[in-house]
Amino acid sequence: AQRVTQPEKLLSVFKGAPVELKCNYSYSGSPELFWYVQYSRQRLQLLLRHISRESIKGFTADLNKGETSFHLKKPFAQEEDSAMYYCALKDNTDKLIFGTGTRLQVFP
Amino acid sequence: GAGVSQTPSNKVTEKGKYVELRCDPISGHTALYWYRQSLGQGPEFLIYFQGTGAADDSGLPNDRFFAVRPEGSVSTLKIQRTERGDSAVYLCASSLGWGENTEAFFGQGTRLTVV
Repeated sequence: AQRVTQPEKLLSVFKGAPVELKCNYSYSGSPELFWYVQYSRQRLQLLLRHISRESIKGFTADLNKGETSFHLKKPFAQEEDSAMYYCALKDNTDKLIFGTGTRLQVFP
Repeated sequence: GAGVSQTPSNKVTEKGKYVELRCDPISGHTALYWYRQSLGQGPEFLIYFQGTGAADDSGLPNDRFFAVRPEGSVSTLKIQRTERGDSAVYLCASSLGWGENTEAFFGQGTRLTVV
């Protein structure tokens, strides 16, 4: 079965600390993986996708097919990074399968 | 112009009533998706349109739920005989096409509360 697992509901760090939001997936084919972010009172928006291999707002994510993971990382968290983060997988029918989300709180 | 627009932003209805939720996708976007997000959960897929036709409706929970997109633009999600368990945020997204390298843009959602 296709599934995306985000084991942490809440992750709290202080400003300047490193951040890693975990995401594991289960998919039989070749996955296309994404991280979406939802800031307070804003709509869900794409943060990054594995195929573009880029860094957005200092965040990176590497697809590890051996570990079936796509963890989101940032070396130095900022207060404005506080938001809900959702890992998602696009299947071969183009629909997105989301994890349950992790709330990141960055304290000053 | 604007992004994906959903109306109403909030809807409170009584159990057993019929509701319609509207989605205006980004102009020119041929693919349109409906998702439902319950409290504490990620968005769950409901239905996906390519143009006017439903390409995948496997996420609709039962036959009380139906969606249309008659002209390949605006879509309406219809829920008959609403139940308290239907309370959730209903999200719409659109994309330029389908396949790799297509980004889905989400609306603000409609918060449905069934009392």
